[in-house]
Amino acid sequence: GENVEQHPSTLSVQEGDSAVIKCTYSDSASNYFPWYKQELGKGPQLIIDIRSNVGEKKDQRIAVTLNKTAKHFSLHITETQPEDSAVYFCAAHSGGSQGNLIFGKGTKLSVKP
Amino acid sequence: KAGVTQTPRYLIKTRGQQVTLSCSPISGHRSVSWYQQTPGQGLQFLFEYFSETQRNKGNFPGRFSGRQFSNSRSEMNVSTLELGDSALYLCASSFGTSPSNTGELFFGEGSRLTVL
Repeated sequence: GENVEQHPSTLSVQEGDSAVIKCTYSDSASNYFPWYKQELGKGPQLIIDIRSNVGEKKDQRIAVTLNKTAKHFSLHITETQPEDSAVYFCAAHSGGSQGNLIFGKGTKLSVKP
Repeated sequence: KAGVTQTPRYLIKTRGQQVTLSCSPISGHRSVSWYQQTPGQGLQFLFEYFSETQRNKGNFPGRFSGRQFSNSRSEMNVSTLELGDSALYLCASSFGTSPSNTGELFFGEGSRLTVL
C-alpha cells in the first residue's frame, strides 16, 4: 500500500522567511496530493492540492511542486506570517473509487515574529 | 452551510469499556472517513463509508468498527478500550466517490478520547 514520508517534523522560521516541507510517496499509481493545515484545537483544513498531470500549482503565498519521477512533492510558503504557525500534513491518494488518503506524520511550523 | 459535526468533543473512559463516536457530515456529502490522530503517528486511516457501505478499512484491530446510516451520518465504535486508544478521532466527509475525483475532505474538529 501507499506510504508517505514527511520532513521535517518541526520547522522554525522568522517572519518573512520562506518555509519548505517535503514529502515522498511510494505508490506510483497515486495521482492526487493535497496539503492540509491544522491549527490548535481544530480539524485539518485543505490549503492546496495538486494532481499528477501538473508539476506546480500556486495560490498566493503558497505553492506545491510535484516530481512524479522521483515520487516527491513539496509545499512552499513564502513571506511567512505568524498565522502560518500550525501543523501541516501532506497526503497521497491512488486513483479510482477505492483507496483512501494516506497522510504524512505532519510538520509543526513555527513562525517567529 | 454547516460543517462536519462530531460528538462528543471530549470523553474519558476506563480500560475495558466501549465508546461510540458520532459524525454528521456536510449536507449532501455521501462519503465519511474516520482517522485516528496521535502525536507520534499522525493521521491514521480507520475506515471509509459511502452510501452505507464500508469501502475501505485501515490496519486497525476488529475492536474498531463503524457504520453509516441512510442520512450519511456515521458512527464509530471502539470496544474493550485500551490505554493506547487515547487519541483524537477525526471524521471527514466528501461529496463524491473518491478524494482524487472530488478533491477535498472536510474534517470535523474531532472527538478527543482519553482512556484511563
